[in-house]
Amino acid sequence: KAGVTQTPRYLIKTRGQQVTLSCSPISGHRSVSWYQQTPGQGLQFLFEYFSETQRNKGNFPGRFSGRQFSNSRSEMNVSTLELGDSALYLCASSLRSGLADNEQFFGPGTRLTVL
Amino acid sequence: AQSVSQHNHHVILSEAASLELGCNYSYGGTVNLFWYVQYPGQHLQLLLKYFSGDPLVKGIKGFEAEFIKSKFSFNLRKPSVQWSDTAEYFCAVKTRDSNYQLIWGAGTKLIIKP
Repeated sequence: KAGVTQTPRYLIKTRGQQVTLSCSPISGHRSVSWYQQTPGQGLQFLFEYFSETQRNKGNFPGRFSGRQFSNSRSEMNVSTLELGDSALYLCASSLRSGLADNEQFFGPGTRLTVL
Repeated sequence: AQSVSQHNHHVILSEAASLELGCNYSYGGTVNLFWYVQYPGQHLQLLLKYFSGDPLVKGIKGFEAEFIKSKFSFNLRKPSVQWSDTAEYFCAVKTRDSNYQLIWGAGTKLIIKP
């Protein structure tokens, strides 16, 4: 079974631009969660999508948005990029949503650098 | 607000030494606890988890963790580390108040000297 895949793996953008990152979950998984990982802040939850609906949202500004398609693939978009958006963006997929024993499987991440 | 604290940001050990990484959480209700590991250049992967029952849980690669409810702790242990254990280790918690989303500790970078 193929794991979670994320594209692109590396991205360099300049301030003010926007970016779209993609995540393909494990086959059969319907939940996709996004995280931002930085050396200073660690891992922070961005949002979760399940069956094309946003189920949960973290404390990030509205410049961060996402969506999920009918095949469970998900995209996240960051508009008006700031230097502080430089981070590793991780996607995790799971079978279900909103349950304690719902294990998440992580992708390799997209390394975004904002210049 | 719920939070997870990992007290050691960097740990350096020699091979065969014993390991204990601390993890404390702040939440008064039922918790589900996790340890994840991120080997250099690899994906985050689950080491072990606690939901209920025996507070001593065993995970992959010889790791174990003990849930001590009175101390709000979930420390990770390994009796004898190997060079291949060099990685970053993350403690995380899920609660009903977090809508069962993972709340993460800052991580501990472990370096094992050969």
